Amino acid sequence: AQSVTQPDIHITVSEGASLELRCNYSYGATPYLFWYVQSPGQGLQLLLKYFSGDTLVQGIKGFEAEFKRSQSSFNLRKPSVHWSDAAEYFCASGTASKLTFGTGTRLQVTL
Amino acid sequence: GAVVSQHPSWVICKSGTSVKIECRSLDFQATTMFWYRQFPKQSLMLMATSNEGSKATYEQGVEKDKFLINHASLTLSTLTVTSAHPEDSSFYICSARDPRGRAGDTQYFGPGTRLTVL
Repeated sequence: AQSVTQPDIHITVSEGASLELRCNYSYGATPYLFWYVQSPGQGLQLLLKYFSGDTLVQGIKGFEAEFKRSQSSFNLRKPSVHWSDAAEYFCASGTASKLTFGTGTRLQVTL
Repeated sequence: GAVVSQHPSWVICKSGTSVKIECRSLDFQATTMFWYRQFPKQSLMLMATSNEGSKATYEQGVEKDKFLINHASLTLSTLTVTSAHPEDSSFYICSARDPRGRAGDTQYFGPGTRLTVL
């Protein structure tokens, strides 16, 4: 069965600092991988997705993620965090017919 | 593109009543929609997959008679929580699969509905 692990439950970074959120997946074949962001009381917004091809994927809001097959990872990065980036971030794998979500990482940004 | 709306955004009801939540794809036709439930500070739990014109497929452990799903058109799916009880209080989120091109591999999510049962 597919599984997605987000090892960090909560991360705090200073505004302007770089950010990396970790995601590891377990899947037999190359999965489709997604990062979503959820602001408090809101639904999920798609940040970026990886299907195939270039392993470095650019998303919205200045985010990027790199697919590393050897490490079964799909970590999300941002070079300079803004206070408005504070939210819950979910990594997911699978297809549009069946998504498996990680448990999420809550990002806190200090000024 | 790929916008999904939900209505209402929040609802409070008395125990024993039924509540209907609507999920609409605004700028695309969605043959498949999904209903999730999210508990506080937890991840999303898939409740059921809703296919237009056919019966929904429920995940193990989800009571289909309690959570009625109807997907009568290509842009609308509804979730009815029947005889709601306080333990049904939760955040319900729908998503829709955009069938267009590579986006057909992506689910787009609605803003969610906060249900509180008194």
